[in-house]
Amino acid sequence: KQEVTQIPAALSVPEGENLVLNCSFTDSAIYNLQWFRQDPGKGLTSLLLIQSSQREQTSGRLNASLDKSSGRSTLYIAASQPGDSATYLCAVKGNNNDMRFGAGTRLTVKP
Amino acid sequence: DGGITQSPKYLFRKEGQNVTLSCEQNLNHDAMYWYRQDPGQGLRLIYYSQIVNDFQKGDIAEGYSVSREKKESFPLTVTSAQKNPTAFYLCASSITGGWDEQYFGPGTRLTVT
Repeated sequence: KQEVTQIPAALSVPEGENLVLNCSFTDSAIYNLQWFRQDPGKGLTSLLLIQSSQREQTSGRLNASLDKSSGRSTLYIAASQPGDSATYLCAVKGNNNDMRFGAGTRLTVKP
Repeated sequence: DGGITQSPKYLFRKEGQNVTLSCEQNLNHDAMYWYRQDPGQGLRLIYYSQIVNDFQKGDIAEGYSVSREKKESFPLTVTSAQKNPTAFYLCASSITGGWDEQYFGPGTRLTVT
């Protein structure tokens, strides 16, 4: 059974820092990996989707990488802003429409 | 505007009562999903449906039921058999049940006392 782990559970950084969020998964047989943002009490907003054949995806200040063989993905946020404060979740899709989520990293960017 | 709507945002029920959570999408997506989110845990799949009149159990289907009579609607009923129903419930959809992105609704917070 696929297990998805996100470390650290919480992260606090000063505004302007570049930062990396980590996601690891136990089964490398995946279809895709998706990074989401969740604001308190709200639904999930998709940030980036990486297909299993891809190694990275970029959107603005965000860059997500995927290394299937090592079971890892990273989300890089450049020049962080207070508005980036949220919980970031990664989710891995495997066989039979089976999507597994990590518990998330709660990011706080201090002005 | 295209999107997924969930209602209500907050729901309160007494223990022993069934309650139905609404999920509607106007994205013309074939697949729809229900997840449960508890503090400090990842989302867990309750049920999903890849096409009208068909649905499959997820990891934690016990105590829940669904129907998919229309493409745009996928209501979730939390029955009295669900032992710990207080949670944040999220509905999602995707174009198909395959490799594409899932889009999420705003969620319903259910509190059972």
